[in-house]
Amino acid sequence: DQQVKQNSPSLSVQEGRISILNCDYTNSMFDYFLWYKKYPAEGPTFLISISSIKDKNEDGRFTVFLNKSAKHLSLHIVPSQPGDSAVYFCAATDSSNTGKLIFGQGTTLQVKP
Amino acid sequence: DTAVSQTPKYLVTQMGNDKSIKCEQNLGHDTMYWYKQDSKKFLKIMFSYNNKELIINETVPNRFSPKSPDKAHLNLHINSLELGDSAVYFCASSQVGTIKSTGELFFGEGSRLTVL
Repeated sequence: DQQVKQNSPSLSVQEGRISILNCDYTNSMFDYFLWYKKYPAEGPTFLISISSIKDKNEDGRFTVFLNKSAKHLSLHIVPSQPGDSAVYFCAATDSSNTGKLIFGQGTTLQVKP
Repeated sequence: DTAVSQTPKYLVTQMGNDKSIKCEQNLGHDTMYWYKQDSKKFLKIMFSYNNKELIINETVPNRFSPKSPDKAHLNLHINSLELGDSAVYFCASSQVGTIKSTGELFFGEGSRLTVL
């Protein structure tokens, strides 16, 4: 029973265009959402997060949107760069504050020059 | 300086063997974790320790035994290895209570375990 799902295993975009990565969740107790980026042979690294009290958080080229009613979040990267090519994981946590994150299965983004 | 380091990075072994993966963090964090990335690519939490105390144990078979000699180290010992244990195991650390302020778990590079 996967509580966080990323239904697109892969995405390919042209350099300079927008990349949109999607994530759905089922647990209404989740109140904090995160995106992690992972290069091959490395561990995931934190990218951006959003609290459930917000619907948008922006950091440079990266923006995360949260639609609580739809239990859906998305990561927008604009403009996309070849160095953004990586696996992107969506994650969620609840109010327990134990640090336990529930991850999706990741989306592989390829940005073509 | 590697913040979270784990060894070995690759481990190939036979079914039934016992193996260990070591993890060390130099970030001064008080909480450490083991996550498993299975063949379907999901990252799933296995254990977490806070100041050497077990706080999360996600119904992992008791063949898996974490050990935290101090808050900078969290090792994972696996007894009687099975084919299904083949996966990438990631160690991570954080400062408890900061996930929702900094959003960060710091991950190691992963240890790929292959059981033949």
